[in-house]
Formats: sequence, C-alpha cells, structure tokens
Amino acid sequence: AQRVTQPEKLLSVFKGAPVELKCNYSYSGSPELFWYVQYSRQRLQLLLRHISRESIKGFTADLNKGETSFHLKKPFAQEEDSAMYYCALDPGATNKLIFGTGTLLAVQP
Amino acid sequence: DSGVTQTPKHLITATGQRVTLRCSPRSGDLSVYWYQQSLDQGLQFLIQYYNGEERAKGNILERFSAQQFPDLHSELNLSSLELGDSALYFCASSPGQDLYNEQFFGPGTRLTVL
Repeated sequence: AQRVTQPEKLLSVFKGAPVELKCNYSYSGSPELFWYVQYSRQRLQLLLRHISRESIKGFTADLNKGETSFHLKKPFAQEEDSAMYYCALDPGATNKLIFGTGTLLAVQP
Repeated sequence: DSGVTQTPKHLITATGQRVTLRCSPRSGDLSVYWYQQSLDQGLQFLIQYYNGEERAKGNILERFSAQQFPDLHSELNLSSLELGDSALYFCASSPGQDLYNEQFFGPGTRLTVL
C-alpha cells in the first residue's frame, strides 16, 4: 500500500541547532515527493518538491530510494521555522497527494 | 482575497444530516481538489475536478459527492452524516492538472457532527 510515514509528532530544537524532519514512504514506482508547511494561522503551502532539487528558506530534502526516505533538513533552525510540516507523495504522477500525519517543529529561543 | 476561499468556516450539525461545503479556486485555476483531515487519519485526498470534469478519485465514501460548476467553483456534499465525518475539509486548486502544478490550499471548513 502507498503510505507516507512521519514518525515524530513533535520535534523540539533550539535556535541555531540542526533540524531533520523524517519522512519515509512506501511506493514501488518512482515517487514524486513534496514537503508542505503550515505556519500558525496560515494555510498549508508547498515548501519544496523533490523534482525541483531546490532549497527553500534554507531547507533541503534528498530522496534516498534505497531507504525510501525524503527527510527535510536545515543546518541552523530559526524561530520562524516553527510550524507543522507534512511530507507528501504523489504516486504515479496522479495528483492524488498522500500526506503523512505531520511533524510539529518547535524552535526554542 | 485572490486565494482559495472556502465557506463556511465552521459547521455544526447532527448525525444523519446532509451538508454542502463550498470552494472557490484561485482566479485562473482549473483544477480543484478536496481533502479530509481527521485526527486519526491525517490529510486524505478525496477527489479532483478539472474544468468541470472528475479527474481523480481517492478514498471518498459513497455518501460523499462533489461537483465543479461552469464558473469553476466546487461543492462537496456530505450526506447521512456520522460522528466519524467530523473533520477539517480542505479544498486546493491548481492551474492545470499536471504534477508540476503546485496545489494552493484554502483555509478549510471545520465540520462537527454531534
């Protein structure tokens, strides 16, 4: 079954510390993966997508097909990074996004 | 607000009732997507419409139906409501139906079934 797993419900780090939000997926084909973010009182929005190989707000994510992972990383966390982060999978380019349950990132001052 | 809009913001109703949730996509977007976010299931894709036609279907219950009108707004109809239907319902829109079209989300409608 196609599935996205985000094992941590909450990740709390101090400002300036490295951040890694874990995402593992279950899909037999070539996955298209995304990270979405929801800041407090704001809408869910796209942060970055695997296919673009981009770095947004200092965040990067690398697809590891061997480990079926797409972890989100940032070397130095900022307080404004505090938000809910969702990993999502589009199996077979169908536009049917499959979301993980989300990880709440709390960056302490 | 030129983004995705959803009405109502909150809806409280009783089991067995029927409700309609409304979504207006961003100006120029042809695709509309509906998602359900419940506490135990996370965000789940329900259905996609593109320019008035159904394009993709997720795990949408038979009690639920949707449509997209000529002006591109969409409605999600939920009938014979059960307690378990209580959730946040999100609508998203995108310019087309390609994978590379970013989906822009609305603020959601919170449905409470008592």
